[in-house]
Amino acid sequence: KNQVEQSPQSLIILEGKNCTLQCNYTVSPFSNLRWYKQDTGRGPVSLTIMTFSENTKSNGRYTATLDADTKQSSLHITASQLSDSASYICVVTINYQLIWGAGTKLIIKP
Amino acid sequence: DVKVTQSSRYLVKRTGEKVFLECVQDMDHENMFWYRQDPGLGLRLIYFSYDVKMKEKGDIPEGYSVSREKKERFSLILESASTNQTSMYLCASTETSLAETQYFGPGTRLLVL
Repeated sequence: KNQVEQSPQSLIILEGKNCTLQCNYTVSPFSNLRWYKQDTGRGPVSLTIMTFSENTKSNGRYTATLDADTKQSSLHITASQLSDSASYICVVTINYQLIWGAGTKLIIKP
Repeated sequence: DVKVTQSSRYLVKRTGEKVFLECVQDMDHENMFWYRQDPGLGLRLIYFSYDVKMKEKGDIPEGYSVSREKKERFSLILESASTNQTSMYLCASTETSLAETQYFGPGTRLLVL
């Protein structure tokens, strides 16, 4: 069964610190892997997209990495800000089907 | 910027009521989707539409129907609401391909009593 699992379920860090969120998948091969950010009470917004052959993609303070051998992706957030408090969702596309992870809830404390 | 709007942010309905959730996108996108989002689960696709009057079942279509009479508008219908349909409902659209970045509306939080 195609699965996308994210860890940790939730994370609390202090403002200004870095953090890394994990996404493990069983889907292979796939078309692309995306990370979305979902603020409370809002719909998800795309952060990064990587194809099967890409290793890393950055969007400001967000950097996504992909290791096709271990079937893992990470989202690294540098110098966290209060506005980074949100859920971060990993989604893998295979044959026009999207497999969504359950997300990691990140809380940034001042 | 793509804008996807949903008719209600919060809804409270009683068991057995017919419920309409409406979604409108303003960027002439071909594809539109309805998802439900529950705690601890990934987004689950209910239905999607790739053209006017065209629809395809997603992973959990039971208890739902959809309507797409105009390109910009995609409606989700709960014919007879049940308590297990209490959830967050998210509408999304993509321009031409199902594999593109999805643009989401703000969501409708539905409570069925």
